[in-house]
Amino acid sequence: EAGVTQFPSHSVIEKGQTVTLRCDPISGHDNLYWYRRVMGKEIKFLLHFVKESKQDESGMPNNRFLAERTGGTYSTLKVQPAELEDSGVYFCASSQPHGTGDYGYTFGSGTRLTVV
Amino acid sequence: AQKITQTQPGMFVQEKEAVTLDCTYDTSDQSYGLFWYKQPSSGEMIFLIYQGSYDEQNATEGRYSLNFQKARKSANLVISASQLGDSAMYFCAMREGTDSGSARQLTFGSGTQLTVLP
Repeated sequence: EAGVTQFPSHSVIEKGQTVTLRCDPISGHDNLYWYRRVMGKEIKFLLHFVKESKQDESGMPNNRFLAERTGGTYSTLKVQPAELEDSGVYFCASSQPHGTGDYGYTFGSGTRLTVV
Repeated sequence: AQKITQTQPGMFVQEKEAVTLDCTYDTSDQSYGLFWYKQPSSGEMIFLIYQGSYDEQNATEGRYSLNFQKARKSANLVISASQLGDSAMYFCAMREGTDSGSARQLTFGSGTQLTVLP
């Protein structure tokens, strides 16, 4: 079974530019999550999709961040325009429809975003 | 208030010795789950161990065990017989509540950087 795939693995962009991160969850996983770790701080929840619907987007920092999950498969997270404080590692995770089991979450390797 | 607290930003342990990584949590839910993840320098998040709030036994997975003390709201990770490959960042995380239809997100601590010395 393929894991959660994220790309790019690294992205360096200038302040004011746009960047789009992509996450391919495990096939059949309805739940998809985005998290972010800013340098030296804890991993923070951004949002949660159930299939194509946003279940919880309470962690999205501001309206420069836009997440989509068309068709309930892969998801994109767009940052437009990027600011310096957006630098960090963005993780995606997926889980099965009733993800209450102990092995419920599978994480991708993350996208390291650097805004200069 | 912090929901997950990891008070050790960095830890060192000698190879083959045991090490305990601390984690305390705060929740008003009766049902919750506690997780530990390992993040090596390559960046991926690797699931290590899980403890449910109603589990009476401490969870164990190979060299990993979770010292669950519910009354103290602590969920410390114990790694026995440390290996050089255990050097990594370790995150404690919690999922609150139970869901009928969808799974909730995890809340993470700030992590502990473990270095195993040869």
